[in-house]
Amino acid sequence: DTEVTQTPKHLVMGMTNKKSLKCEQHMGHRAMYWYKQKAKKPPELMFVYSYEKLSINESVPSRFSPECPNSSLLNLHLHALQPEDSALYLCASSGQGGNQPQHFGDGTRLSIL
Amino acid sequence: EDQVTQSPEALRLQEGESSSLNCSYTVSGLRGLFWYRQDPGKGPEFLFTLYSAGEEKEKERLKATLTKKESFLHITAPKPEDSATYLCAADNAGNNRKLIWGLGTSLAVNP
Repeated sequence: DTEVTQTPKHLVMGMTNKKSLKCEQHMGHRAMYWYKQKAKKPPELMFVYSYEKLSINESVPSRFSPECPNSSLLNLHLHALQPEDSALYLCASSGQGGNQPQHFGDGTRLSIL
Repeated sequence: EDQVTQSPEALRLQEGESSSLNCSYTVSGLRGLFWYRQDPGKGPEFLFTLYSAGEEKEKERLKATLTKKESFLHITAPKPEDSATYLCAADNAGNNRKLIWGLGTSLAVNP
């Protein structure tokens, strides 16, 4: 069982909807990440939070809005998505050392109609 | 430009047939080389971190090794449940947590 929990597992939404993806970890990690993964591709970094502050935004469109309410929780708010945004969205966490491994959740499979 | 290349893209083995997956990297200031396993519809599962050339790590039928240019994931006597995509990723000193990923090797082990 993964120690990073993501909900929901599946989400279908229309292009005008607003929804949120949630991620929770209880490993005491202070770095948390959002990734997007398309089929047969590696994960693509979207955002990094360090000590609850946004430290990296990989030029992600503003229709994706991250939030880190506390050290265990990470949200990704979605609004006015496009069909090409359909993908597996992964959350990960890691220790603060620069070479600490990232631990992933099982993702949310997002489909945009 | 920093780059990670995995080979082969796909590998099909018979149960018990040992083999190796390759991860070649050109990364300035390597801080860590990570191996992950990913099953369909799941997130990557962390396997190993290697930090310096000559280092080896083992877990059940898997053994990861590192040189200054590449890493190998050796699979000894694989079983069907070892079927998955294996990803390697590098962390370099200047990238501020952004890993450099290979495209993965899709492994199928036939009973």
